[in-house]
Amino acid sequence: DADVTQTPRNRITKTGKRIMLECSQTKGHDRMYWYRQDPGLGLRLIYYSFDVKDINKGEISDGYSVSRQAQAKFSLSLESAIPNQTALYFCATSDARWEQFFGPGTRLTVL
Amino acid sequence: GESVGLHLPTLSVQEGDNSIINCAYSNSASDYFIWYKQESGKGPQFIIDIRSNMDKRQGQRVTVLLNKTVKHLSLQIAATQPGDSAVYFCAEIPSGGSNYKLTFGKGTLLTVNP
Repeated sequence: DADVTQTPRNRITKTGKRIMLECSQTKGHDRMYWYRQDPGLGLRLIYYSFDVKDINKGEISDGYSVSRQAQAKFSLSLESAIPNQTALYFCATSDARWEQFFGPGTRLTVL
Repeated sequence: GESVGLHLPTLSVQEGDNSIINCAYSNSASDYFIWYKQESGKGPQFIIDIRSNMDKRQGQRVTVLLNKTVKHLSLQIAATQPGDSAVYFCAEIPSGGSNYKLTFGKGTLLTVNP
């Protein structure tokens, strides 16, 4: 069974639509992260959360928002999707140490 | 500014050969360096890490070397197998307690030819 799951795995949407990507983990970690990956680039941090009441912006948070519904759940929303948000999105978790465990990713296409 | 980069975007090797993937970093204050492997359609997976006070660390078929003088990190894979075909990322973690923030390199695509 996967420790970090993401839904949906693939999504095609239109410009201006609101989209939510969900992440769940069974590792019992307090820290959760959202990254985006673009072809030829590394992963870039969008938002991170150290616990349910702690939300922080990453390096590319504009156009995104997050919600930490529970220790195990961290969702990413695109309020009004635009084509340059087409990318692969990864959720990750970690405990107080540095190693992060990644989900399988969500491929989002904005037309 | 801080950056982590890779010397080569692609690497093609024959099955059974050794592979060396390189990474340059610019933040001399980084505490940890990590190598991740990303197979097609999957999320990155931890391979091996090295702390800044070490020069070398070995795992199963993999070795990471850290040269702080020239700010260079390498991943060596012994007896490369088809299953090693993937994109490999190096990542660094700054010192000072901000261990949430991994700075990733752009990745090297390793292709293993049978």
